[in-house]
Amino acid sequence: ETGVTQSPTHLIKTRGQQVTLRCSSQSGHNTVSWYQQALGQGPQFIFQYYREEENGRGNFPPRFSGLQFPNYSSELNVNALELDDSALYLCASSPRLGGSEKLFFGSGTQLSVL
Amino acid sequence: AQRVTQPEKLLSVFKGAPVELKCNYSYSGSPELFWYVQYSRQRLQLLLRHISRESIKGFTADLNKGETSFHLKKPFAQEEDSAMYYCALINAGGTSYGKLTFGQGTILTVHP
Repeated sequence: ETGVTQSPTHLIKTRGQQVTLRCSSQSGHNTVSWYQQALGQGPQFIFQYYREEENGRGNFPPRFSGLQFPNYSSELNVNALELDDSALYLCASSPRLGGSEKLFFGSGTQLSVL
Repeated sequence: AQRVTQPEKLLSVFKGAPVELKCNYSYSGSPELFWYVQYSRQRLQLLLRHISRESIKGFTADLNKGETSFHLKKPFAQEEDSAMYYCALINAGGTSYGKLTFGQGTILTVHP
């Protein structure tokens, strides 16, 4: 059984650029969530995907978008990067859509926007 | 709006001492609460959840709805308990179904 894997591990971009982060969910998991963790803060929910459809969104602007593929892997896209987008981006998968289901987190992608 | 507050950013204790990490929440419905832990150089992982009423690695947490608290306790801290601890609440309904709301975290350091 493989865990949640994210790529790349680190990324440096400049303001105004676009970025795509990738996540492979744990085997058998059909739900993927993305979180943003700024330095010194807890993770903040961006959105969740279930069977290729967005199933909930946090307080993030539309320039944050995502995709989930038939194999349940996922992408997070951020357009028009801003300095405040610098953060650790975490992907988490779970075996089903449910309120109390255990989430399995990836190691994250550290994004720096200069 | 739901919110999770961890009032202590840092907590230091000596090995063998009791430890309590505080967590308070605000939520209009019936919450489901969790503690997540992140050890050095490891990924965030679930420690325990209130509906399981279990003890993991000697830690317990009781949901107190009257005080809206979910404090994490361990009677005798060990050095390997040193880590970042996050209290989290899940929204079981609405448009953000399955969304976890995290507190800011508490760094626990257990000294030898």
